[in-house]
Amino acid sequence: GAGVSQTPSNKVTEKGKYVELRCDPISGHTALYWYRQSLGQGPEFLIYFQGTGAADDSGLPNDRFFAVRPEGSVSTLKIQRTERGDSAVYLCASSLQGQSYNEQFFGPGTRLTVL
Amino acid sequence: AQKVTQAQTEISVVEKEDVTLDCVYETRDTTYYLFWYKQPPSGELVFLIRRNSFDEQNEISGRYSWNFQKSTSSFNFTITASQVVDSAVYFCALSEGRIKAAGNKLTFGGGTRVLVKP
Repeated sequence: GAGVSQTPSNKVTEKGKYVELRCDPISGHTALYWYRQSLGQGPEFLIYFQGTGAADDSGLPNDRFFAVRPEGSVSTLKIQRTERGDSAVYLCASSLQGQSYNEQFFGPGTRLTVL
Repeated sequence: AQKVTQAQTEISVVEKEDVTLDCVYETRDTTYYLFWYKQPPSGELVFLIRRNSFDEQNEISGRYSWNFQKSTSSFNFTITASQVVDSAVYFCALSEGRIKAAGNKLTFGGGTRVLVKP
């Protein structure tokens, strides 16, 4: 079956612009996670959705970052007034449920470059 | 707070050599889960193994094996008879085991890049 998909695969923007990154999880997975991976580092947690609600947004770095999942499937990560430090690969993952033993399936990521 | 440390940033071996990747973790939970993921040059993280804190049995899957030792908070990964296709970045990760409404985010280590030369 289809895995987690993310669009676009690459996004180049200018400092100060607004961007949206999309994640389409595996069908039937209720849990959805966003992570950010900077060059040479491990992924860092941003936000977790269970269904439509953001159950844990403790990893969002500041109020320029926001994410939604209005119908409990596709999620969009939104970044306002982008800064050069936002450049990274943004990874989305989904799991059947939000339990700790559930394997998370990752998408290919969106590489964001802020000039 | 939970933390995962992978002290080796890069390991280079010649094909057919064995390579062991170290992972040390910190958590205050008594129940937790440990994972290893592989990130090949294509970039997509691939799940390799999951281990819960109550199961210290070592596991072998083909050329891969894992050594979990709670006494030293380590969960090391060995590739036996390495192949060029094993070249990738490998990440160790931890999730807390308490059932929480807030889900179970993974805490990753910094990763170890493995380069297998022919």
